[in-house]
Amino acid sequence: AQSVTQLGSHVSVSEGALVLLRCNYSSSVPPYLFWYVQYPNQGLQLLLKYTTGATLVKGINGFEAEFKKSETSFHLTKPSAHMSDAAEYFCAVSPNFGNEKLTFGTGTRLTIIP
Amino acid sequence: ETGVTQSPTHLIKTRGQQVTLRCSSQSGHNTVSWYQQALGQGPQFIFQYYREEENGRGNFPPRFSGLQFPNYSSELNVNALELDDSALYLCASSSKGIAGGRVNEQFFGPGTRLTVL
Repeated sequence: AQSVTQLGSHVSVSEGALVLLRCNYSSSVPPYLFWYVQYPNQGLQLLLKYTTGATLVKGINGFEAEFKKSETSFHLTKPSAHMSDAAEYFCAVSPNFGNEKLTFGTGTRLTIIP
Repeated sequence: ETGVTQSPTHLIKTRGQQVTLRCSSQSGHNTVSWYQQALGQGPQFIFQYYREEENGRGNFPPRFSGLQFPNYSSELNVNALELDDSALYLCASSSKGIAGGRVNEQFFGPGTRLTVL
């Protein structure tokens, strides 16, 4: 079975500061990992994904994540936070190449302090 | 190209009733997945439909059932509603190849908020 754990249900950072959202995974097979963002009253939007190849993955809105097999981690970062980044972020794992039948973490709510 | 749409946006039911939620997949997509997102939680996979047949199911009881139509739209039906069924129900569509193999990116709809009283 696959699972993901997101450390920190709430994270607050100042505008312009580094954003770091943590995700650790558990998988008996090579994982396919994803980060999604959810704005209030909206569905999920894919930020980025790791399938194979380069372990540093760049996504939309300036976010990136690094797959570290030795640490079973897939943390999400952004060098400089913007007010528009305030949202709920979910890490997810899939058993296949496409982002289907996802297993999600419990989410991290990101608050940006002006 | 239209995105994934869901109806209704909000719904209020009482315990024991039945509910049907609807999803129109994105143009060109032949696969629909349903997720339940309880308040403060991440979405949980309910089931997936591919070419009108169930293609995988999560840990949900049989009172959660679905349909996919020839135009690839889908319904989620929940019988004998319980208070814990209150959640945001998300539909996502994607496209599989003919052999059901490689999948393109999955896109999510805005969800239906179900409240069970």
